Amino acid sequence: DAGVIQSPRHEVTEMGQEVTLRCKPISGHNSLFWYRQTMMRGLELLIYFNNNVPIDDSGMPEDRFSAKMPNASFSTLKIQPSEPRDSAVYFCASSLGPGSYEQYFGPGTRLTVT
Amino acid sequence: KQEVTQIPAALSVPEGENLVLNCSFTDSAIYNLQWFRQDPGKGLTSLLLIQSSQREQTSGRLNASLDKSSGRSTLYIAASQPGDSATYLCAVAYSNYQLIWGAGTKLIIKP
Repeated sequence: DAGVIQSPRHEVTEMGQEVTLRCKPISGHNSLFWYRQTMMRGLELLIYFNNNVPIDDSGMPEDRFSAKMPNASFSTLKIQPSEPRDSAVYFCASSLGPGSYEQYFGPGTRLTVT
Repeated sequence: KQEVTQIPAALSVPEGENLVLNCSFTDSAIYNLQWFRQDPGKGLTSLLLIQSSQREQTSGRLNASLDKSSGRSTLYIAASQPGDSATYLCAVAYSNYQLIWGAGTKLIIKP
């Protein structure tokens, strides 16, 4: 398996622009996670999907952030409008399901908002 | 409040040494504990997962232990190599999906 796939790997955009990050989880995995990593705050869970349904979005910082999972093999995280403080590395991870399963991470998208 | 602490924040040792990384957690009612490594500019790689009912897990030169009663886990790396240089993160699951993360230990293995 190719592992969790994320695109783009790097994104540089200007403040106010819309940003869309994409994720393809490992085939057969039913749980998908979006994380954000910064030096100041470390790793933060933004949203968790199980069987394509958002279960916990309490980590989404504000209404500018939205996430969708239209099918089992694709998810997006959208920021509109983007702000400089959104600059971070965004990771997607997947696991077989809820419970005691390992989470497998993608390579991340490094977002810079100028 | 559920917290995960990793000490030290950084560690530098000569190649070939055995070493131990520490992870402590405040609440012992865990689902599982997972150790990851992160290379600069890269994603996280899962190393070992210890279920709540287990005491240790081994993979190659790595051994992770879990002591819930004392709220501690250790990651033992045998015969360290320069390729082991990375940041090692401990993550504790308190629910069936939410991980509480330590800040990591940055490990440097000197050739």
